[in-house]
Amino acid sequence: QVQLQESGPGLVKPSETLSLTCTVSGASISSYYWTWIRQPPGKGLEWIGYVYHVGSPNYNPSLKSRVTMSVDTSRNEFSLKVTSVNAADTAVYYCARVGDYYGPWSYSPDLPFDHWGQGIPVTVSS
Amino acid sequence: EIVLTQSPATLSLSPGERATLSCRASQSVSRYLAWYQHKLGQAPRLLIYDASKRATGIPARISGSGSGTDFTLTISSLEPEDFAVYYCQQRSDWPLTFGGGTQVEIK
Repeated sequence: QVQLQESGPGLVKPSETLSLTCTVSGASISSYYWTWIRQPPGKGLEWIGYVYHVGSPNYNPSLKSRVTMSVDTSRNEFSLKVTSVNAADTAVYYCARVGDYYGPWSYSPDLPFDHWGQGIPVTVSS
Repeated sequence: EIVLTQSPATLSLSPGERATLSCRASQSVSRYLAWYQHKLGQAPRLLIYDASKRATGIPARISGSGSGTDFTLTISSLEPEDFAVYYCQQRSDWPLTFGGGTQVEIK
């Protein structure tokens, strides 16, 4: 079955770069769009952006200047980097797969997320 | 960006009762709305996509309806495993956005 697993440091200092990886098993990284979502403490979910193995990623404008996403097809994983972090970036970070509900000719990056990782808590603090 | 407002924030019900959750969009999202269930410490689970289509493995007691700006998630008879937080999410426009969530708790 499809499984996603986030990994990375749980503590990042202010002004530094947050780096997370999502390792995918049970599905080819080249066959789907992949996304990152986060949830700050006590708040709702925030979509960060999506990435595909070719073409340009698409980011939430609220984070666009600080976010980079990429895909490593050799490792079947994708990653997230957020630069110049501050306390507002403290959150549980989830990786997820964009599901294919209507077949390959209708597959698009805005479709809902059918598989998620368990989430990784990241705290920004000195 | 499109703002999704969920109500109520908390719903206190007993097993076997009917749950009705609301999601209202700040502008029309057509039928491009999904619902997720989220339990503490677990991965969120897709329940409904495109307003009324059940995701794989979702039981028939869970249903979605609505279009435009007003949407409803209904659980016809609550099972113990249904007590969780529920989020709506739109895909009508970028950036994709989520509602603030409704917690369904045991009364």
